Amino acid sequence: SAVISQKPSRDICQRGTSLTIQCQVDSQVTMMFWYRQQPGQSLTLIATANQGSEATYESGFVIDKFPISRPNLTFSTLTVSNMSPEDSSIYLCSVLPGQGGEQYFGPGTRLTVT
Amino acid sequence: SQQGEEDPQALSIQEGENATMNCSYKTSINNLQWYRQNSGRGLVHLILIRSNEREKHSGRLRVTLDTSKKSSSLLITASRAADTASYFCATSPPSGNTPLVFGKGTRLSVIA
Repeated sequence: SAVISQKPSRDICQRGTSLTIQCQVDSQVTMMFWYRQQPGQSLTLIATANQGSEATYESGFVIDKFPISRPNLTFSTLTVSNMSPEDSSIYLCSVLPGQGGEQYFGPGTRLTVT
Repeated sequence: SQQGEEDPQALSIQEGENATMNCSYKTSINNLQWYRQNSGRGLVHLILIRSNEREKHSGRLRVTLDTSKKSSSLLITASRAADTASYFCATSPPSGNTPLVFGKGTRLSVIA
């Protein structure tokens, strides 16, 4: 298993600003992912952030809006840039410690954009 | 895009009753995982069932998988008020080394 922490747990931000979310894992993992969960909805994958390579973004998500860093095997950041109210969501990081195994999630960051 | 579709979208039962949630998916899988989410918090991993398995148990949870019908079910027996949450199924593609694709979820309310 893996224990994942995220900072901040929640934030209220003004439109046009940016927020960087941190994700820390208690063990080294190659595969890390960022998801978004809009209010009342399911989880949508934003990008895959594997250490040593550029993040791979899903359709509808772009690097300029959601830049990701993955400096080592235990840490990643997701920045939500130039925020608008439509970015109000829960953002979750997730890891896949083993091939074909359980995927674990952090507690999420609840973002509200006003 | 979402792979799974949970059914029902919402379920309300009395404490002590059993709750059954269903999940259907569209493409081949390596495994299927069920999660619980309380009030918009992080996801708690409940159980993983592999494509070559038909049934798994964990405490009061029972999960079945029918790959011919591309469907799975989660049964919670003797439900408790604390089981009130949203439940999601998520599928892993055959390669098994890619992120999960989530269904829309079932909102379960257990009334004391």
